[in-house]
Amino acid sequence: NAGVTQTPKFRILKIGQSMTLQCTQDMNHNYMYWYRQDPGMGLKLIYYSVGAGITDKGEVPNGYNVSRSTTEDFPLRLELAAPSQTSVYFCASSFLTGRNTGELFFGEGSRLTVL
Amino acid sequence: AQSVAQPEDQVNVAEGNPLTVKCTYSVSGNPYLFWYVQYPNRGLQFLLKYITGDNLVKGSYGFEAEFNKSQTSFHLKKPSALVSDSALYFCAVRVPNQGGKLIFGQGTELSVKP
Repeated sequence: NAGVTQTPKFRILKIGQSMTLQCTQDMNHNYMYWYRQDPGMGLKLIYYSVGAGITDKGEVPNGYNVSRSTTEDFPLRLELAAPSQTSVYFCASSFLTGRNTGELFFGEGSRLTVL
Repeated sequence: AQSVAQPEDQVNVAEGNPLTVKCTYSVSGNPYLFWYVQYPNRGLQFLLKYITGDNLVKGSYGFEAEFNKSQTSFHLKKPSALVSDSALYFCAVRVPNQGGKLIFGQGTELSVKP
């Protein structure tokens, strides 16, 4: 199993450009998440999904959009990129049942710079 | 509001000495607590979790964590540190009934010197 795969690993955007960060997992996990990591701030949740066709906002959703058309894929769309979106983005997945005890599995990250 | 605090930005330890990375939490209900490790330019890797039962939880790479309900703490420990343990460590708490998402602390940089 490849686990959670993110592309691209690095990207530089100009202000106002748009792009999509891709995330796919091959573990048949039902839950998927997008976090951003900024120095000294830990990880902040952007969006999450509890299954195909279902998404919900996290702590910092502004400026982002997501979709979940399949169990495997959970792309993150940045519209009108701003310097404040310069960050490292992590996709994660988990298999959760009613008790929600499972851990999250993370991708290797996508480093985005907006200039 | 649910939250996690890691009071130390950095912890410095000599190789062979015991290490502790501190974590306190605030959550309503019974907490599910996690520790992750991040090596440079890598994703987060799961170390261990506390769900219920024994307060001392053992995890990967010789790490363990002690859950203390009265002090609302979940400190990460290792009896004998290795230089290769140097990394960024994150404590996290699962929010009940909210999509299984984790709330993370700000991270603690562990530096183990030979």
